[in-house]
Amino acid sequence: EDKVVQSPLSLVVHEGDTVTLNCSYEVTNFRSLLWYKQEKKAPTFLFMLTSSGIEKKSGRLSSILDKKELSSILNITATQTGDSAIYLCAVERASGGGADGLTFGKGTHLIIQP
Amino acid sequence: DAGVIQSPRHEVTEMGQEVTLRCKPISGHDYLFWYRQTMMRGLELLIYFNNNVPIDDSGMPEDRFSAKMPNASFSTLKIQPSEPRDSAVYFCASSLTLGHTGELFFGEGSRLTVL
Repeated sequence: EDKVVQSPLSLVVHEGDTVTLNCSYEVTNFRSLLWYKQEKKAPTFLFMLTSSGIEKKSGRLSSILDKKELSSILNITATQTGDSAIYLCAVERASGGGADGLTFGKGTHLIIQP
Repeated sequence: DAGVIQSPRHEVTEMGQEVTLRCKPISGHDYLFWYRQTMMRGLELLIYFNNNVPIDDSGMPEDRFSAKMPNASFSTLKIQPSEPRDSAVYFCASSLTLGHTGELFFGEGSRLTVL
């Protein structure tokens, strides 16, 4: 059974701090790893990672995949209160006839205090 | 594009009642997924469709759950009879064809409370 484990489960920091969120996975026929941000409603897509060691960046957020360690990190620098959300990691498995749905971790609940 | 549209946004019902959740995927997306989110278990895949055909329903918890996709623009998730442990937020999501299935576009969810 595919497994995605995120840590920490929750994190409280002050505005301006840098945070690192972790995701480790066990999946057969790995295709990709994705990060989503979930505020009050639907998760919204942040990054998709398929290759090891290549950093993806979007503003203050960045993420990298380590296929050898079966893990990924999501970094947020100079955090702002608007970064408060649940950050979800998911892995996608490629199977015989096509891709399966994503397997999600339970998320990291990040709270940024002013 | 309006995005993935789900209804109802909130549903409160009594144990034993039938519940039907509805979803309209993004036009042109060939994959449709139903997820359930709870604090204890996070986001769980229930079932997904490709071109209206159910591909993997191994996540459907019990026979009380059923899902249909009669056409490319509409899907339903039905729970009959509902139980309090079914209380959760149910998300529908869609994605493009193979090669882009990694990026899911989620609806805003249907929050179900079964009393």
